Amino acid sequence: KQEVTQIPAALSVPEGENLVLNCSFTDSAIYNLQWFRQDPGKGLTSLLLIQSSQREQTSGRLNASLDKSSGRSTLYIAASQPGDSATYLCAVEGYALNFGKGTSLLVTP
Amino acid sequence: NAGVTQTPKFQVLKTGQSMTLQCAQDMNHEYMSWYRQDPGMGLRLIHYSVGAGITDQGEVPNGYNVSRSTTEDFPLRLLSAAPSQTSVYFCASTELRQQDYTFGSGTRLTVV
Repeated sequence: KQEVTQIPAALSVPEGENLVLNCSFTDSAIYNLQWFRQDPGKGLTSLLLIQSSQREQTSGRLNASLDKSSGRSTLYIAASQPGDSATYLCAVEGYALNFGKGTSLLVTP
Repeated sequence: NAGVTQTPKFQVLKTGQSMTLQCAQDMNHEYMSWYRQDPGMGLRLIHYSVGAGITDQGEVPNGYNVSRSTTEDFPLRLLSAAPSQTSVYFCASTELRQQDYTFGSGTRLTVV
């Protein structure tokens, strides 16, 4: 059974800092890895999709990397802003998406 | 707007009642799935479908039924609601493997 772990569970940083969120998974036989953002009481918004043959994806201030052999992914957020405050979820796709429990991020002004 | 639509957004049920959570997508996606989200447990897969007429169980299927008579719709039925089914339910779809998943905005269900 695929297990997805996200570290840290919670993170508080001052505005402007660069930060890294970590995701690890136990089974490297995945189709892709996807990072989502969830605001309180809301649905999931897709941030980045890394297909199994890719090593990284970038969108604006976000960069995600994937190392299948070691079962790890990182989400790098540059120059964090208060609007980045949310829960970030990592999910790996086997026959369906397997989610980690998320990292709750607070960016303070 | 194209996307995944879930109804209702909120629902309160009494123990033993039945109901159907609706999910519809207009993107012609073949793959649809249902998840529940509980504090401390993350999102867990209930049922999924790889196309019309095909459904399969996920990690936590007990107490739920699904059917897929059309590509667009994937309703989730609670047969006899229990307090343990109090949760937020999300429906998701994708065109095929290795593509972005699109999620609905969720249904918050309380069973009393």
